[in-house]
Amino acid sequence: GAVVSQHPSWVICKSGTSVKIECRSLDFQATTMFWYRQFPKQSLMLMATSNEGSKATYEQGVEKDKFLINHASLTLSTLTVTSAHPEDSSFYICSAQDREHSPLHFGNGTRLTVT
Amino acid sequence: GQNIDQPTEMTATEGAIVQINCTYQTSGFNGLFWYQQHAGEAPTFLSYNVLDGLEEKGRFSSFLSRSKGYSYLLLKELQMKDSASYLCAVMDSNYQLIWGAGTKLIIKP
Repeated sequence: GAVVSQHPSWVICKSGTSVKIECRSLDFQATTMFWYRQFPKQSLMLMATSNEGSKATYEQGVEKDKFLINHASLTLSTLTVTSAHPEDSSFYICSAQDREHSPLHFGNGTRLTVT
Repeated sequence: GQNIDQPTEMTATEGAIVQINCTYQTSGFNGLFWYQQHAGEAPTFLSYNVLDGLEEKGRFSSFLSRSKGYSYLLLKELQMKDSASYLCAVMDSNYQLIWGAGTKLIIKP
């Protein structure tokens, strides 16, 4: 149980374009999903907390207008990287909890390369 | 500030035992998690400790001492596939996860 699916697994895009990443909880409802970014050989960095039916809560230093988060339903959250630049190239990972205060279950991640 | 410390890298031999330590200083405590992350992949959940003591799960065990702000992950009968990064994370009083930088474990034949 508690499976989180993330799509796409990898994407290459040109600078200036936008990329959408989907995160789905397959067998449970997630009122809260988390979006992380991880640069090579670095730890996970929480970008934002996505709440179903309300605005996401962004961590300090994360541009909310650049990283658009939509949590339209209890099983789907999307992260859109707008006007991507090469420095946005990273590993983006979503996670969710199947119940409050339980361990995070992670999607498989999306490797974004901006050329 | 909140802080999680764990060694950057450890090396061990196949078939041996290794202990990965984690010390933390956080605003409150609502549990400590260990995750395994293979290179290029997302983390996978290993264990959760909220009370003092040892939790055993197959070849992996996790220990917690809340008074000392200390935990360790013990891996027995090491296999080559255990080569990965091991992440320690603490849930603080606001139920936010504070992550350590991870310990890269290298297993040698």
